[in-house]
Amino acid sequence: KAGVTQTPRYLIKTRGQQVTLSCSPISGHRSVSWYQQTPGQGLQFLFEYFSETQRNKGNFPGRFSGRQFSNSRSEMNVSTLELGDSALYLCASSIGQPTSTDTQYFGPGTRLTVL
Amino acid sequence: LAKTTQPISMDSYEGQEVNITCSHNNIATNDYITWYQQFPSQGPRFIIQGYKTKVTNEVASLFIPADRKSSTLSLPRVSLSDTAVYYCLVGVADRGSTLGRLYFGRGTQLTVWP
Repeated sequence: KAGVTQTPRYLIKTRGQQVTLSCSPISGHRSVSWYQQTPGQGLQFLFEYFSETQRNKGNFPGRFSGRQFSNSRSEMNVSTLELGDSALYLCASSIGQPTSTDTQYFGPGTRLTVL
Repeated sequence: LAKTTQPISMDSYEGQEVNITCSHNNIATNDYITWYQQFPSQGPRFIIQGYKTKVTNEVASLFIPADRKSSTLSLPRVSLSDTAVYYCLVGVADRGSTLGRLYFGRGTQLTVWP
């Protein structure tokens, strides 16, 4: 069974632009979560989707948004990019509804650099 | 939100047993404790999960005392390939919470030397 895939793997943007990142979960998984990882803040939760609905959201500004499609694939969008948005963006999928016991399987991440 | 506290770094040598302790004083009754491992430029990988007492799998053991305010990940006979960041997580059991599903913290950088 294929793992979680994320595209693109690397991305370079300039301040003020917007970006869309894509995540394809493991087949059969219905929950997708997004995380931002930076050297300064570590790994921080962005949001989680289940059955096309956002179920949880972290403490990020409204410039960060996401959605999930009927096939469980998910996209996240960052508008008006800032230098501080440079990070590794990780997507994780899990089988069912969000619970603290649900194992998450992570993708390789998208490395975003904002110049 | 049950936050966690771990040592920032640990060093060990090949063949030794490594124990990484995590504090989670505000753990909720329904929360489980989960440990992930992360190599550079890769996503975290699930290692082990438990609720209380002891859990063991082919990779590690997890020891949780009765009060559940801490947990210890035990890696038997580490090798160079175990060099990674290890995260202790306590999930938010309430699905309706807006505080975020999982808090990863800063993790523990384990370095295994030959």
